[in-house]
Parts: sequence; C-alpha cells; structure tokens
Amino acid sequence: AQSVTQLDSQVPVFEEAPVELRCNYSSSVSVYLFWYVQYPNQGLQLLLKYLSGSTLVKGINGFEAEFNKSQTSFHLRKPSVHISDTAEYFCAVLPAGGNEKLTFGTGTRLTIIP
Amino acid sequence: KAGVTQTPRYLIKTRGQQVTLSCSPISGHRSVSWYQQTPGQGLQFLFEYFSETQRNKGNFPGRFSGRQFSNSRSEMNVSTLELGDSALYLCASRLTGGNEQFFGPGTRLTVL
Repeated sequence: AQSVTQLDSQVPVFEEAPVELRCNYSSSVSVYLFWYVQYPNQGLQLLLKYLSGSTLVKGINGFEAEFNKSQTSFHLRKPSVHISDTAEYFCAVLPAGGNEKLTFGTGTRLTIIP
Repeated sequence: KAGVTQTPRYLIKTRGQQVTLSCSPISGHRSVSWYQQTPGQGLQFLFEYFSETQRNKGNFPGRFSGRQFSNSRSEMNVSTLELGDSALYLCASRLTGGNEQFFGPGTRLTVL
C-alpha cells in the first residue's frame, strides 16, 4: 500500500516570496508522483508529474518539484508567488505500471498575503 | 476537447434518501474513478470503472455503488443517505494505460 504525507496543512506566504510545499511518500513499489491544485469550488487540476528521468520537474504556473528517491520526497516549489496561487495543493502517488488507484495526501492550503 | 463533466453540480437531500450522480469522461477515456472529498477525511477513493467493469474499490460501505455504461459515462449511487455523506464527489477519467487523471468540477452533496 502507498501513503502520502503533507506535513503542513496551512502555509501563509507573502506575495512575491518563494514557497515550498512538502510531500513525503511511502511505497514498496515504484511510483509516479503528482501535484494537483484545487481552487475554491472547483475540481483538481494537474500542476506537474514525475514519471521517470530528470528528477526536477517543471509544471504550469511557474511551479516545479524535485523527486528525491532516497528521502522519498517530492516537494513543490515556486520562486515568487502571486495572489492567484491561493488554493489547496495535493500531492498524490500512483503505483507505476499497474491499474492501481491514486492515493492523495491531506492537502496544504496556501494563502498568499498581499 | 471537452473536459470531464459532472451533473448536477449541487444537490441537497435529506437523511434516508438516495442519490445518483453522473459523470461524463473526456471523449476516448474509458477509465472513470470516483472520489469523496470532505474536510475531515480529505480525498478518498471510492471506485474505478473500466469498460463497464469495476476495477478497483475503496473502503466504503455497500451503500455506495456505481456503474459504467457502454459510452463510458458513469453514475454513482448512494442509498440511505447519512449526514456524514455530505461531501464533494469528484469524478476523474484517464486514457487506457494512461497515468494522468483528469478531474471534473465535482458534485457538492449536502445531506440534511
């Protein structure tokens, strides 16, 4: 079984400051890793994903994430946040190669302070 | 290409009633998954359907059921509603063999 831990339930950040949202996972098999964003009253939108290859993954809206296998982490970063980044962010894992289910973390609410 | 659509967007029911939610996947996507999102439990997997067959199932009671039609549209049904069933129900579709799930806007169910 897989599990995902997002230790920070809420992260307040000043506008134009950098931000890092942390994600750690546990799995006995190889996994694909995802970050999703959810704006108020909307569904989930994919920000970026790691399948294989380069451990630094770039996504939409200026976000990037780095896969660290030894630390089983997949932290999300943005060098300069904007008010429009206010949303909830979910990290998720999917066992590679099979027809398994996506397992989500509990989410991190990012609040941008003007 | 149109995204995943879910109907209705909002629903209010009373305890003991039953409800049916609908999901239309992206054209060409044959896999449909359902998730329940609540403030306390977060995003929990309900079930996945592929080619009209349930392929995976989460840990929900039998009151939660689903089905998929030959055109890949899916419905989920909740019988004998409880207050705790109030949640945002999200549907997601993906291509056969694909790893990315595309989510719909969700159906907000309120049980009174």
